[in-house]
Amino acid sequence: EAGVTQFPSHSVIEKGQTVTLRCDPISGHDNLYWYRRVMGKEIKFLLHFVKESKQDESGMPNNRFLAERTGGTYSTLKVQPAELEDSGVYFCASSQDHGSETQYFGPGTRLLVL
Amino acid sequence: AQSVTQPDIHITVSEGASLELRCNYSYGATPYLFWYVQSPGQGLQLLLKYFSGDTLVQGIKGFEAEFKRSQSSFNLRKPSVHWSDAAEYFCAVGMFSGGYNKLIFGAGTRLAVHP
Repeated sequence: EAGVTQFPSHSVIEKGQTVTLRCDPISGHDNLYWYRRVMGKEIKFLLHFVKESKQDESGMPNNRFLAERTGGTYSTLKVQPAELEDSGVYFCASSQDHGSETQYFGPGTRLLVL
Repeated sequence: AQSVTQPDIHITVSEGASLELRCNYSYGATPYLFWYVQSPGQGLQLLLKYFSGDTLVQGIKGFEAEFKRSQSSFNLRKPSVHWSDAAEYFCAVGMFSGGYNKLIFGAGTRLAVHP
């Protein structure tokens, strides 16, 4: 069974540009999460999808971040326009059921904004 | 507010030595606790989890952790460290109530292993 995959693995962009990150969850997992680790600090929750619906987006930093999950399969996280402080590692995770199910993480996308 | 504290940012041990990584949490309800590991160039891998029952839980790679409610701790242990254990370790508490379904992580502990 394939795990959570993320694309790209690395991205280097200039301030003001747009970047789109993609996450493919484990097949059959309705729950999809985005997390971010900035500058070696804690990994912080961004948002949670249940199928195609946003269940909780309380962690999204501002309106420059837009997450979508059309069709309830893969998800994209767009940053537009990117700022220097957006640099970090963006993790995606998925779980099968709502509640205390284990979240399985992808390898992350390392974003550097210059 | 819910939080997780990992007091040690870096730890260095010799190969074959025992290891204990500390984790303290602050959470009002019954905690769901996790340890994840991130090896260089890899994603987060689940080592073990505690939901209920026996407070000593066994995980993969020879790791174990003990939940101590009185101390709000969930320390990770391994009796004999291998060079391949060099990685960053994250403790997390799961918020799975009140409409939430997310993990709150500590800042991580980076483990170096000397031969």
